[in-house]
Amino acid sequence: KAGVTQTPRYLIKTRGQQVTLSCSPISGHRSVSWYQQTPGQGLQFLFEYFSETQRNKGNFPGRFSGRQFSNSRSEMNVSTLELGDSALYLCASSLLLAGLNEQFFGPGTRLTVL
Amino acid sequence: DAKTTQPPSMDCAEGRAANLPCNHSTISGNEYVYWYRQIHSQGPQYIIHGLKNNETNEMASLIITEDRKSSTLILPHATLRDTAVYYCIVRAENTGTASKLTFGTGTRLQVTL
Repeated sequence: KAGVTQTPRYLIKTRGQQVTLSCSPISGHRSVSWYQQTPGQGLQFLFEYFSETQRNKGNFPGRFSGRQFSNSRSEMNVSTLELGDSALYLCASSLLLAGLNEQFFGPGTRLTVL
Repeated sequence: DAKTTQPPSMDCAEGRAANLPCNHSTISGNEYVYWYRQIHSQGPQYIIHGLKNNETNEMASLIITEDRKSSTLILPHATLRDTAVYYCIVRAENTGTASKLTFGTGTRLQVTL
């Protein structure tokens, strides 16, 4: 069974631009969560989607948004990029809502904002 | 979710057991202990989880103290590929709403020859 895939793996953008990152969960998994990882802040939860609905949200500004499609694939969008948005963005999928089910992480998308 | 405390770093010789401690003194009765690890430049990888009984799988063993205020992850025969940051996470039982993972700073395990 294929794992979680994320595209692109690396991205370079400039301040003010917007970016869309994509995540394909493990086949059959319906929950997709997004995390931001930086050296200073560690791993921080962005949001979680289940059945095309956002079920939980972390403390990030409205510039960060996401959506989930009927095939469980998910995208996250960051508008008006800032230098501080440079980070590794991780997607994790789980079979059901990410309560007790273990989450399987993708390799991440490394975003650099110049 | 309860906060966890882990040593920032540990060393282990290859082939020896690596014992990674975690304190979670404010854990609640319905909270589970989860362990993940993150190898450099990769996404975190699930290792094991438990409530109060000791657990073992093909990767590791999890020993939870009787009062549940601390636990130890044991890698029985550490290899160089086990070099990673190990995160101990305490999470409440799913009550029907989504539950996010809250990672602390973890323990950086260095396995050496």
